Amino acid sequence: QVQLQESGPGLVKPSQTLSLTCTVSGGSISSGGYYWSWIRQLPGKGLEWIGYIHYTGSSFYNPSLKSRVTISVDTSKNQVSLRLRSVTAADTAVYYCARVMDTAMASDYWGQGTLVTVSS
Amino acid sequence: QTVVTQEPSLTVSPGGTVTLTCASSTGAVTSGYYPNWFQQKPGQAPRPLIYSTTNKHSWTPARFSGSLLGGKAALTLSGVQPEDEAEYYCLLYYGGAWVFGGGTKLTVL
Repeated sequence: QVQLQESGPGLVKPSQTLSLTCTVSGGSISSGGYYWSWIRQLPGKGLEWIGYIHYTGSSFYNPSLKSRVTISVDTSKNQVSLRLRSVTAADTAVYYCARVMDTAMASDYWGQGTLVTVSS
Repeated sequence: QTVVTQEPSLTVSPGGTVTLTCASSTGAVTSGYYPNWFQQKPGQAPRPLIYSTTNKHSWTPARFSGSLLGGKAALTLSGVQPEDEAEYYCLLYYGGAWVFGGGTKLTVL
């Protein structure tokens, strides 16, 4: 059973960098076949796709966030990381990581999400 | 900017049938957009239901089905149960980028 677990600071100051980690268990990132994605949900709002990375390193980002986002993979730790620079209060959200099968573009497993608040 | 549109809210009676749709601002939705559907209940992470237009995950109840309908992706619930009350989101693939719909709040009443 694949499980994804997000972790990181729950509070980030404005203008700083938000850094989150998604630890994958029950399956190896380096075995291939999947995109590893980050999605967020602003308070009381809908879902927003942030970006994804393939284990080969290829990545794609939401154009509206592209200038501030980096997603990376650490296959030795079986982790996917998200960095969002220059955050503001508008980046306060629940952040989810999710797995997507690359052939069928099928999102199957999600983490439970982690709330990040941007405030001084 | 690409916009994916869903009905903001729908109401259905228990045992009834309801269809939620997902439209793209770029034109007709086809299988090449790999429509995915998710169910989200308050305080929970989204739960994947449908992928690649019509395919169910192993945990997806049989009463949920996906299709293309009139140029849109569609999610049909047949024999609605009270526990189906939730927010439903579609997700479309645009050759690299993913875009979520705004969500449909389904009330079972």
